[in-house]
Amino acid sequence: RKEVEQDPGPFNVPEGATVAFNCTYSNSASQSFFWYRQDCRKEPKLLMSVYSSGNEDGRFTAQLNRASQYISLLIRDSKLSDSATYLCVVIASGTYKYIFGTGTRLKVLA
Amino acid sequence: DAGVTQSPTHLIKTRGQHVTLRCSPISGHKSVSWYQQVLGQGPQFIFQYYEKEERGRGNFPDRFSARQFPNYSSELNVNALLLGDSALYLCASSLSWGFSEKLFFGSGTQLSVL
Repeated sequence: RKEVEQDPGPFNVPEGATVAFNCTYSNSASQSFFWYRQDCRKEPKLLMSVYSSGNEDGRFTAQLNRASQYISLLIRDSKLSDSATYLCVVIASGTYKYIFGTGTRLKVLA
Repeated sequence: DAGVTQSPTHLIKTRGQHVTLRCSPISGHKSVSWYQQVLGQGPQFIFQYYEKEERGRGNFPDRFSARQFPNYSSELNVNALLLGDSALYLCASSLSWGFSEKLFFGSGTQLSVL
């Protein structure tokens, strides 16, 4: 089983739609979680951290479910510019290794 | 302020050759980490350095090595290149080393091994 798993997609959604991605992790001792966004042939850029209580940044909401070992990203009112690959990152306790998922590809259609 | 800078942006090598990739972190950042990203996959952790000491190593062969200099810049070296080493190599910097540090990536070096 991979340490971090994501559905590769693509998720094709119309503009204005709400879309959600999940990311599961296998190490129950994982301590920190992030979502990064990566545009085609570009570097990953930090989208948001994921906190235990959940957090929101504009149209984006991140949630952590420690019991089921997954994090989620919800995007409301999708824009064409949201089209990208969304990478989840899990940091293992002690080693501080940043483990990336394979990414979920989102295409927002006009 | 300048972001993370990597050089070169593109590189073409042949099997068996050696390559050195360079990275300058954001000013004030003391940690640099290296990742390999193959098309269609997420970045794979190679090394992390903090204050010139290796703090973590991923599952890569000994052909891969790195170091961090007193000015916090870093080099990644790969010896005896294989076709499978073709990938985008990303450098990331962070203020410090720990589980809550946010990574800031450079635009990467695209390595092609023929």
